Amino acid sequence: DVKVTQSSRYLVKRTGEKVFLECVQDMDHENMFWYRQDPGLGLRLIYFSYDVKMKEKGDIPEGYSVSREKKERFSLILESASTNQTSMYLCASSGQGGPTNEKLFFGSGTQLSVL
Amino acid sequence: EDKVVQSPLSLVVHEGDTVTLNCSYEVTNFRSLLWYKQEKKAPTFLFMLTSSGIEKKSGRLSSILDKKELFSILNITATQTGDSAIYLCAVDNYGQNFVFGPGTRLSVLP
Repeated sequence: DVKVTQSSRYLVKRTGEKVFLECVQDMDHENMFWYRQDPGLGLRLIYFSYDVKMKEKGDIPEGYSVSREKKERFSLILESASTNQTSMYLCASSGQGGPTNEKLFFGSGTQLSVL
Repeated sequence: EDKVVQSPLSLVVHEGDTVTLNCSYEVTNFRSLLWYKQEKKAPTFLFMLTSSGIEKKSGRLSSILDKKELFSILNITATQTGDSAIYLCAVDNYGQNFVFGPGTRLSVLP
């Protein structure tokens, strides 16, 4: 069974802390994504990566950075957490080529609260 | 700017009712439209639509795409409480990215 695993289900952090959200996929997918989900706004893309060490900004990259040192792992970093970054963070991956590879597979999400 | 709009944003029905969820889109390069169901955690895949007029069906759920009018509908017949979820519509725009709508929150009451 395919799997995208996010390291934490719930996180509580203080304003100004550095926060790491980890995501690992076991499907050998090239593409990995970080979204945040807020009520009424849907999923908004923060960053994505289509290969190791490659990254592209999404729609709302400000205040975030990412790291993709290995194909299976994509990390989201909040350099200095702020209260407006309280949100549900979803990691996803997809492959390339062929209809079955073009679907997004999601992790279970990390609910981050910044106090 | 690529955009996906869903309506209604929320819906409350009773078990046994039939619902229709709407998704319209404006994207520069369309490859496919996807529907996901999100309960308490990860969105789970429902359908991928690439061609107009071909209905995809899975049990009580069905979906169809109109590429001329740029919309899709998701139908759920004989709803059950287990259908309560957020239904997400997303468009693959060939940009190695998926553009999501805001979702429709469906609540099915017993």
